[in-house]
Amino acid sequence: QSALTQPASVSGSPGQSITISCTGTSSDVGTYKYVSWYQHHPGKALKLMIYDVSNRPSGISNRFSGSKSGNTASLTISGLQAEDEADYYCSSYTSINTLWVFGTGTKVTVL
Amino acid sequence: QVQLVESGGGLVKPGGSLRLSCAASGFTFSDYYMTWIRQAPGKGLEWVSYISDTATTIYYADSVKGRFTISRDNVQNSLYLQMNSLRAEDTAVYYCATGRVGPPTHWGQGTLVTVSS
Repeated sequence: QSALTQPASVSGSPGQSITISCTGTSSDVGTYKYVSWYQHHPGKALKLMIYDVSNRPSGISNRFSGSKSGNTASLTISGLQAEDEADYYCSSYTSINTLWVFGTGTKVTVL
Repeated sequence: QVQLVESGGGLVKPGGSLRLSCAASGFTFSDYYMTWIRQAPGKGLEWVSYISDTATTIYYADSVKGRFTISRDNVQNSLYLQMNSLRAEDTAVYYCATGRVGPPTHWGQGTLVTVSS
């Protein structure tokens, strides 16, 4: 089961918006609405930011939004803040022999 | 608040064994599934194993099937991963994570397993 493809890095200035893509296949992202996004500050626990493509858990800022089109899901961070600098991983339920498949990870840098 | 604390990682020789533990607190452990996910150095996340709330359903990734065994103790609020026949490619930070339905909602900070001679 191959990992979902994400850009290695994305950067933006404070206040700007950035979008991270997550490309899978018809066996995962393209078929299921169970796409989630995690934020990871190194050394800390991963934090769920988005689940079921576009839903935010309680307490997550509405600056974070998710969407999906075909085999590609996206996470948009609007009004970029210094604290958003972290690694981001997408994840999808998959029908191929594995419960969840994860993205390759994207390092977000706030310039 | 939900807290997951992994332990048991370390350096082990190829072919050796290691048992990871995950101590859970801050939630009703027996109502949640538990899962292990790992991250090799410089690589992305890889799902390893899943156990349902009552331990009646268990899944493994093909890469660890037959070598790893997941278990849980709903009295001690603990999750375990017995890892046998370890290989260099098992070197990773191992995270325990939990949820009720859907993707894991809470993760631990991980424990490092290094397989090297």
